[in-house]
Amino acid sequence: EAQVTQNPRYLITVTGKKLTVTCSQNMNHEYMSWYRQDPGLGLRQIYYSMNVEVTDKGDVPEGYKVSRKEKRNFPLILESPSPNQTSLYFCASRNGGSPLHFGNGTRLTVT
Amino acid sequence: QQQVKQSPQSLIVQKGGIPIINCAYENTAFDYFPWYQQFPGKGPALLIAIRPDVSEKKEGRFTISFNKSAKQFSLHIMDSQPGDSATYFCAAQAGAGSYQLTFGKGTKLSVIP
Repeated sequence: EAQVTQNPRYLITVTGKKLTVTCSQNMNHEYMSWYRQDPGLGLRQIYYSMNVEVTDKGDVPEGYKVSRKEKRNFPLILESPSPNQTSLYFCASRNGGSPLHFGNGTRLTVT
Repeated sequence: QQQVKQSPQSLIVQKGGIPIINCAYENTAFDYFPWYQQFPGKGPALLIAIRPDVSEKKEGRFTISFNKSAKQFSLHIMDSQPGDSATYFCAAQAGAGSYQLTFGKGTKLSVIP
């Protein structure tokens, strides 16, 4: 089944404790992207990647890092999480001409 | 700068009603306009999409109307059902070779029985 898989689905952590949210897609998509969803603010793009070793900032990249060492994986790294990074995070992927496929989200709470 | 403005933020209709969600854009380079539907606990999924060479596209009970001169497009849901209750996002893409989508802020639709 074609899918984007994020882990974990839920995560509660404390301020400053480094964490990684994993994202993997099995559709051989070139493009991958991370979004955060907050009430009233919609989907805001954090980082995106056009291909392996190619990443670029989205609209809200501060406090986040990404890497794209393999085509299928695009982890999101929070080196020092803060409470304002409490949010619902989505990974997505696509090829040109195809719809954007989203994972089922990771709900992160930073206390 | 918000490039795609979506309204309303929330919408409540009775079963059988026709909710309408509107989006407006400024960037004339946009040439692909998808709508995504998101149910609670799930990621958004493509619902229907339109290109500006047509003024309307219908898929089942869902219709996109597109007004190129006004730079506006809207989603209509005919005979709405409680199962249509979800958050809807409009989006826009500039160029066939672009992978980037610009999203509206979303509309939370509730269809009450």
